[in-house]
Amino acid sequence: QSVLTQTPSVSGAPGQRVTISCTGSSSNIGAGYDVHWYQQLPGTAPKVLIYGNNNRPSGVPDRFSGSKSDTSASLVITGLQAEDEADYYCQSYDSSLSGSHVFGTGTKVTVL
Amino acid sequence: QVTLRESGPALVKPTQTLTLTCTFSGFSLSTSGMRVSWIRQPPGKALEWLALIDWDDDKYYSTSLKTRLTISRDTSQNQVVFTMTNMDPVDTATYYCAREISSGLGLDFWGQGTVVTVSS
Repeated sequence: QSVLTQTPSVSGAPGQRVTISCTGSSSNIGAGYDVHWYQQLPGTAPKVLIYGNNNRPSGVPDRFSGSKSDTSASLVITGLQAEDEADYYCQSYDSSLSGSHVFGTGTKVTVL
Repeated sequence: QVTLRESGPALVKPTQTLTLTCTFSGFSLSTSGMRVSWIRQPPGKALEWLALIDWDDDKYYSTSLKTRLTISRDTSQNQVVFTMTNMDPVDTATYYCAREISSGLGLDFWGQGTVVTVSS
């Protein structure tokens, strides 16, 4: 069961900007815990896309950006490309769940 | 470089215990800040975090599953062992292990995952 809620799907044409939201609560995102974002291409393991709310690992294009505010976080893809079609998950930590990591419900990004 | 690989049975029967092994290289679980987590993903569904073990041998479990889970490590073999008791068809999923450093880089390296089917 996920305690972080994401929009199930978003879509956009190549070159467009899409935003994926991740809504939590005062025991997770709102408690100040970091949010990380993962991209999961079909049939593969997830890969970290954004860590620590707004940092990109080496090799991740700068068209991916993250932000956090209050009890929610967002991942923005600017200049959408065909290879960005994937599932995206946010992840944080929850103080009410004995040190647990928590994942979002996932968002499917479709490139039209 | 850092690699992780999951191994274990592809098929288990209902009520049996699942044992999976994560064999890793490129880091030591004895190094301060290192952690290894297990995560699963049922077909077509979201990721679910299950358990974690850290450099200090502290262990953390999913609140909803903790009575069924055990995680342990063998630092000499660079392995983390995960067990889940009383398996049910709803536990059918791809099971991943992943590394994390407590300094906040997220789950930065993942294994390829191992598919576990629960069926009689």
